[in-house]
Amino acid sequence: ETGVTQTPRHLVMGMTNKKSLKCEQHLGHNAMYWYKQSAKKPLELMFVYSLEERVENNSVPSRFSPECPNSSHLFLHLHTLQPEDSALYLCASSQMLGPSNEQFFGPGTRLTVL
Amino acid sequence: GENVEQHPSTLSVQEGDSAVIKCTYSDSASNYFPWYKQELGKRPQLIIDIRSNVGEKKDQRIAVTLNKTAKHFSLHITETQPEDSAVYFCAATRMDSSYKLIFGSGTRLLVRP
Repeated sequence: ETGVTQTPRHLVMGMTNKKSLKCEQHLGHNAMYWYKQSAKKPLELMFVYSLEERVENNSVPSRFSPECPNSSHLFLHLHTLQPEDSALYLCASSQMLGPSNEQFFGPGTRLTVL
Repeated sequence: GENVEQHPSTLSVQEGDSAVIKCTYSDSASNYFPWYKQELGKRPQLIIDIRSNVGEKKDQRIAVTLNKTAKHFSLHITETQPEDSAVYFCAATRMDSSYKLIFGSGTRLLVRP
């Protein structure tokens, strides 16, 4: 599959569960991002990785833990989430960090925390 | 911190009419402004962008204008078609940190056939 893929597409979890979101990009890009999209709110940047190193941690609670084992894969580990964490989580990638590098988004994971 | 306000939150137009979406940014150092389109159930996709060294950019039926003095920029869609129906997001950033896009809250555009 081409582009940016995310699994699972939908996830329902309890507040005590531990789960992980996976993102994979098939574009040969070097930068990857996690965004949170809540209803009627702007897209919120959560984490940025460049060449597998984290360059941004945008004041995200520690119950969200990112992992970037290589430039093609990005994970978001979830534990002890709250109902207000329910949202669409979008992964994106770009060739490099920088203004001329378009961010390509994945389809997102719709997360519901009960 | 940087803030981007986007208006209107919803917009309904008749097919063939024009649509205008406006955004205002707070950081005067912002100099890169992309627009993303997100169709229902699909991922956001970049449709057009503008840098602060130009005042207007066009791509077929889509144009973006930038007023640096007033710190606002707008998306103009002419001859709207039903497939233009989507949520449109503006964003602003500085060229030296442009991975950190600050997004507006989105405008849901409905084009009535």
